[in-house]
Parts: sequence; C-alpha cells; structure tokens
Amino acid sequence: DIRMTQSPASLSASLGETVNIECLASEDIYSDLAWYQQKPGKSPQLLIYNANSLQNGVPSRFSGSGSGTQYSLKINSLQSEDVATYFCQQYNNYLMYTFGAGTKLELK
Amino acid sequence: QVQLKESGPGLVQPSQTLSLTCTVSGFSLTSYNVHWVRQPPGKGLEWMGRMRYNGDTSYNSALKSRLSISRDTSKNQVFLKMNSLQTDDTGTYYCTRDWTHWGQGTLVTVSS
Repeated sequence: DIRMTQSPASLSASLGETVNIECLASEDIYSDLAWYQQKPGKSPQLLIYNANSLQNGVPSRFSGSGSGTQYSLKINSLQSEDVATYFCQQYNNYLMYTFGAGTKLELK
Repeated sequence: QVQLKESGPGLVQPSQTLSLTCTVSGFSLTSYNVHWVRQPPGKGLEWMGRMRYNGDTSYNSALKSRLSISRDTSKNQVFLKMNSLQTDDTGTYYCTRDWTHWGQGTLVTVSS
C-alpha cells in the first residue's frame, strides 16, 4: 500500500499569514493527489484534485503543487474560516486509496 | 441536487455485524462511484471500499475479509456490511460520490 506522510501534525498561524502543509508519498503517485478540508463535526470537503486543480467553489487562496512523491497545500492570507483539519489523499492506486494523518490548523 | 445520507443502528455489540445504508438522490448509481470512508473519534480518514458505477466492488485490503458492499439501483441505495465488529471499529462512517459529494456521516459505537 502507498503510505502518505503528512506534516506538520498541527499548525498555529495568524490571520493573513501564508500556511504550507506537506504530504510525502511512499512512491511516485503521478499527481494523483487530493486535499480535503474538514471542520469539526462536518464531512470532509474536496479542495484540490490532480495535485493542483482547484475544486469548483473553493477560494483561490487555496493552491496545490508538487509531483512525484512530494506535494503541498498552500493557503494564502489565512482567514478565520480556514480553521480546520486538512488531509491529503492518493488515488493513484485506485484499488487502495490512502490518506495522510491530517494537519490541524488553528489560529494563533 | 446531489445528496447522500447514511443510516444505521448507532450502537452495535462486539462481534456483531454492522449494516449501513447510503441513500442517494440527484444522480444515478449507474453513472457514479460511491465510496465508504470511516473516521475513528478524533482520528484520520480510512477508505473502506467502493461500489463502482458498473457494479464492481473494491475493498481496503485490511478490511476485505470482513466487509461487503452491495447496492439496489432501483432504491438508489448502497449498502455496507461488516462483520466481527470490535471496539476499534467505533467511528463516523461516511459515503461519498467520487469524493466531491459527501453524506453527513453516521456515528457507530461498538460497545456492550
């Protein structure tokens, strides 16, 4: 199975700051990577797919990048509504999807 | 409007079988895939399995021996059955249409 190592596990940032979250795959996943946002008590919501494509309706302050085994999610100009836990997911192995452990983002 | 809603027992005794239903609306199960994902309290997401649009299924290798996913297209429902439940199967269970639309989740507690 493809392992997804996500970092950091938690993050504290100020309003207006830029935030980066990393995800490392145990093998090349050819940009078959998605990012999700999950607010407390809510279902996950898709933010980014194919490593860098913004899902419809997602604010443009969210962006994704990366290739091979290394990927990142960037949030520009952090807003209060961005407080959430973020997960990466690989779907290159479509017989065994796997998620990162999550990054909990809080306001400083 | 695409909607998915999970339903199930809420409380299951250890060693018993969990049966969940995902009822969908706004799309056809013969056109989209539906996945099941679970999340233990305060922890991460785990993919459980998938019902493809064509009726094929795939399962998480760690759960495969205990898990079965089926559907009734006439009722717009996808079913999950998992046997031999233990306390670490406690969590919120979600169904999702191809990752873009999710149900609200249903909490399953395994306890005697």
